Parts: sequence; structure tokens; C-alpha cells
Amino acid sequence: ETGVTQTPRHLVMGMTNKKSLKCEQHLGHNAMYWYKQSAKKPLELMFVYSLEERVENNSVPSRFSPECPNSSHLFLHLHTLQPEDSALYLCASSLWDGNEQFFGPGTRLTVL
Amino acid sequence: RKEVEQDPGPFNVPEGATVAFNCTYSNSASQSFFWYRQDCRKEPKLLMSVYSSGNEDGRFTAQLNRASQYISLLIRDSKLSDSATYLCVVNYNTDKLIFGTGTRLQVFP
Repeated sequence: ETGVTQTPRHLVMGMTNKKSLKCEQHLGHNAMYWYKQSAKKPLELMFVYSLEERVENNSVPSRFSPECPNSSHLFLHLHTLQPEDSALYLCASSLWDGNEQFFGPGTRLTVL
Repeated sequence: RKEVEQDPGPFNVPEGATVAFNCTYSNSASQSFFWYRQDCRKEPKLLMSVYSSGNEDGRFTAQLNRASQYISLLIRDSKLSDSATYLCVVNYNTDKLIFGTGTRLQVFP
């Protein structure tokens, strides 16, 4: 597979569940990102990792927990989410942070 | 002032029309500028980078005006397949990209 992949593509979870979103990039990039996109709102940057180190955390609630085990993989662990967390979660990567980013197809999350 | 500001549209244009979008940004130190395209319920995709001298890619022309802090995207000979939301993206400091809310374009037959 090429580019940026994300799994699952769709996820429905209850407020007490724990789930994880996975992102993998096959582009040899060094920076990876998590974004949230809610209806009629701009992309909201959540986390930035550069060379597997977190360099940005945009005041995201602790119920979202990122993990970057290596430069090709990025996870977003979810627990005790709220219905307002329902959104499209997009992963992106770039050669270095600040360069143009390439996005995965996203995970459409619904919290009941 | 928002960091990146775009007219949300929608712009409704007939096939074959020329349409232009503008985007203003607030950080005068920004160095990198991009246009992305996002189809409904899909991920954003890089359309083109915007260079100081302006650049063209087929029917698409991007311009940068540093003095007035805006970038523009011109689409000539619009196709039905150009219907999408166009996102203006500006780097903030050296390590962060800021996305605008997007301008929606609808091309009709």
C-alpha cells in the first residue's frame, strides 16, 4: 500500500468504550499529525509528532491519547468520549513539520 | 482577525467559467502557502503549492501577494469535477500549518 492509510474507516462507540485509531504512512516522512474535522468547522490540529517526539498538543482533552511508536505509525487512543467528539479524524504526514501534508482517508467516529 | 480567512461560498458557476478565490492570512512571517482540495466526506488533497512568483498548473493559477497578505486561486474553464471545497493553508511559524475553513465551489452543467 502507498500513501497514508487509516483504520478503521468508520467507528461507532459508546461513551464508556475504549478504542484506538491507527494511522500508517508509507512515504518515508518524519512528521505525523492528528486532526479533527467537525461539520462546517475548519480542520483542528490535535497533535504533532516529529521524529516520534510529540512537538505540539493543542489543548486536547486527556480522553484523547496519542502514541507514536515509530516514524511510520501513529495511534490515537480514545476513552470515555463525549457525543461532541463525533467527527472525522484525519491523520497526515509530511517530510518535516511545516512542509506540505498528505492526508489519510480519515476515520468517521460516532460517539453514542 | 482569523489566522487564515476565506469566503465560505458557495460559488455556483457554469461549466467553462473562470472563478477566483482569495484567502487572507494574518501572520506576515508566514513562508509556505498551499491550496488543498477536499471533496465531500473525503480527506483534503494537495492541489498546489503557492510560490512567490506565482505558479500555474494546467487550468489552475495560484498567486501570492505578500504586501497585502493574501493568496488567490484562479480556475479557468471550470469542469463539473472541479466541484469541491478549496482550502487555503498557510504555515504558522516554521512547523505548523493553519487551514482555512474552505471555499465551496459548485460547477453546474
